[in-house]
Amino acid sequence: DTAVSQTPKYLVTQMGNDKSIKCEQNLGHDTMYWYKQDSKKFLKIMFSYNNKELIINETVPNRFSPKSPDKAHLNLHINSLELGDSAVYFCASSRESPRGTEAFFGQGTRLTVV
Amino acid sequence: AQKVTQAQTEISVVEKEDVTLDCVYETRDTTYYLFWYKQPPSGELVFLIRRNSFDEQNEISGRYSWNFQKSTSSFNFTITASQVVDSAVYFCALNPLSSNTGKLIFGQGTTLQVKP
Repeated sequence: DTAVSQTPKYLVTQMGNDKSIKCEQNLGHDTMYWYKQDSKKFLKIMFSYNNKELIINETVPNRFSPKSPDKAHLNLHINSLELGDSAVYFCASSRESPRGTEAFFGQGTRLTVV
Repeated sequence: AQKVTQAQTEISVVEKEDVTLDCVYETRDTTYYLFWYKQPPSGELVFLIRRNSFDEQNEISGRYSWNFQKSTSSFNFTITASQVVDSAVYFCALNPLSSNTGKLIFGQGTTLQVKP
């Protein structure tokens, strides 16, 4: 069983479209995240949710809207896609307590905007 | 500032050589957590190790070892007798307690190529 699963794995779409990436974790973790990995492999956090509540929003354009229907799911919806949104998006989860527990990552979604 | 620096962008070694990946971090927090992750060519991120700021004991796991030195704010990773399967991008990451969440601040990554 995959601990953190994202769908789709690949997404190719045209500029201006709206798309969603889904994430589910079966680890019983309280906290979920979205990270963006750019073309230079740099990883940066975008959002963090704890028990369905938004904890971190790292100055991400408001075209990006995360939604957490329950503790086990954190979806990412992107409106009006731009070329610069092309990247690999990783979902992750971790336990809230004790602090400092490791995050488990999904396999990533490679988004290509053409 | 909270920051992680991996100064080595790319390293290339021949199989069976030992290699050390450097990681230097900055934080004002006295309590923080450090991590290493591996990203093989297949793209997933694999957790390798976690260390908290109060535990400066070095750790060895098979061919992998980690050297944590608070005095120099470094958390270096050594692979002994490298193998081709070790080829990957390796990320060092910091989670400061003041972030109030498990958010990771990643270094830029070091691409390790192990040639046969």
